[in-house]
Amino acid sequence: EDQVTQSPEALRLQEGESSSLNCSYTVSGLRGLFWYRQDPGKGPEFLFTLYSAGEEKEKERLKATLTKKESFLHITAPKPEDSATYLCAVQTNDYKLSFGAGTTVTVRA
Amino acid sequence: NAGVTQTPKFRVLKTGQSMTLLCAQDMNHEYMYWYRQDPGMGLRLIHYSVGEGTTAKGEVPDGYNVSRLKKQNFLLGLESAAPSQTSVYFCASSFELADPQETQYFGPGTRLLVL
Repeated sequence: EDQVTQSPEALRLQEGESSSLNCSYTVSGLRGLFWYRQDPGKGPEFLFTLYSAGEEKEKERLKATLTKKESFLHITAPKPEDSATYLCAVQTNDYKLSFGAGTTVTVRA
Repeated sequence: NAGVTQTPKFRVLKTGQSMTLLCAQDMNHEYMYWYRQDPGMGLRLIHYSVGEGTTAKGEVPDGYNVSRLKKQNFLLGLESAAPSQTSVYFCASSFELADPQETQYFGPGTRLLVL
């Protein structure tokens, strides 16, 4: 069975304190790995798609990387507006997404 | 371009009542999905559709039915609501034939409380 595990469950950071979120996965056939941001009371907002090991994508203070077993979302010098829940999802050959439970990031000023 | 919209935003039902959640997208996407999100469990796929007139079961389909009579709309029905169906429901869509991207775009969610 496909499994996606995100760690930690929660992360409290001081403004400017860089950190990384982990998404580990075991799937039968990976088509792509997606990162989403979700703000309270809203739907997930797409951030990145990664398709192959070694691939990296960047957007402002966020950088996503992919290996054969896991992905990392690096937050560099975070600001309070980066506070959100970050969701990882893997897409398998049947085009369905399996989501992790998310990491809730709180950035204090 | 409104993206993905969901109706209603919030609903309270009594056990045994029925209701329909409506999802609409204006991105000409072929695929549409219904998920539920519960605390600590992540998003779980209920049903999905790969085109007008087609539907398929996802991970947690029991107690739900769906229909996709028009390409832009995807309806999720609860025939006899149960307290276990209290959740936040998200609709998503993806994949336009003219510009095939596999990213799923999500609606704002419907909060459902079943008493």
